[in-house]
Amino acid sequence: SYVLTQPPSVSVAPGQTARITCGGNNIGSKSVHWYQQKPGQAPVLVVYDDSDRPSGIPERFSGSNSGNTATLTISRVEAGDEADYYCQVWDSSSDHQVFGGGTKLTVL
Amino acid sequence: QVQLVESGGGLVKPGGSLRLSCAASGFTFSDYYMSWIRQAPGKGLEWVSYISSSGSTIYYADSVKGRFTISRDNAKNSLYLQMNSLRAEDTAVYYCASSRSIAASFDYWGQGTLVTVSS
Repeated sequence: SYVLTQPPSVSVAPGQTARITCGGNNIGSKSVHWYQQKPGQAPVLVVYDDSDRPSGIPERFSGSNSGNTATLTISRVEAGDEADYYCQVWDSSSDHQVFGGGTKLTVL
Repeated sequence: QVQLVESGGGLVKPGGSLRLSCAASGFTFSDYYMSWIRQAPGKGLEWVSYISSSGSTIYYADSVKGRFTISRDNAKNSLYLQMNSLRAEDTAVYYCASSRSIAASFDYWGQGTLVTVSS
């Protein structure tokens, strides 16, 4: 089955740029979606189809996808961005939705 | 506005059954694909099952195949998950989520309902 690998944690100072990676075999050929989840809340979509943002999501959130790695980039990080972030793809070979293990973003 | 409201969670003994419901409003439910996604305490997200807009296509995660059944009633704007032969490892918050197609993102999520399997 298809596996998505994320770093367990990323730390960044306020105002800096956070990059969260999502690794998968030839992930560049798939559409990658990213979700933000704060404690006790449901996940919220922050980037879809590799690099598009839903309405209401700040431009500070962006995404890219190429080769074996997709990346969620959060510019000018704020304290309110502290959360768990998950990548997700549809794996057509197994007819399964797949989530990465999640990355905890800590704002120092 | 779009709302997804799950219900039906609770405490059940191993081997027992439970039926979850998800009531949708604020969008044309019959146009959307729907999924159940769960999250065990302190763990990450795990996709459980998916049903197409018409209900004609259904997929399950290997961990629940043969035990769980997803269904929908477009006339009632509702999604269901019948869970049988429950195990301790099924303990989780269960979310329903909507998507525009099978490969599309999960645009909207409910607030979740907690299922606890314990003797």
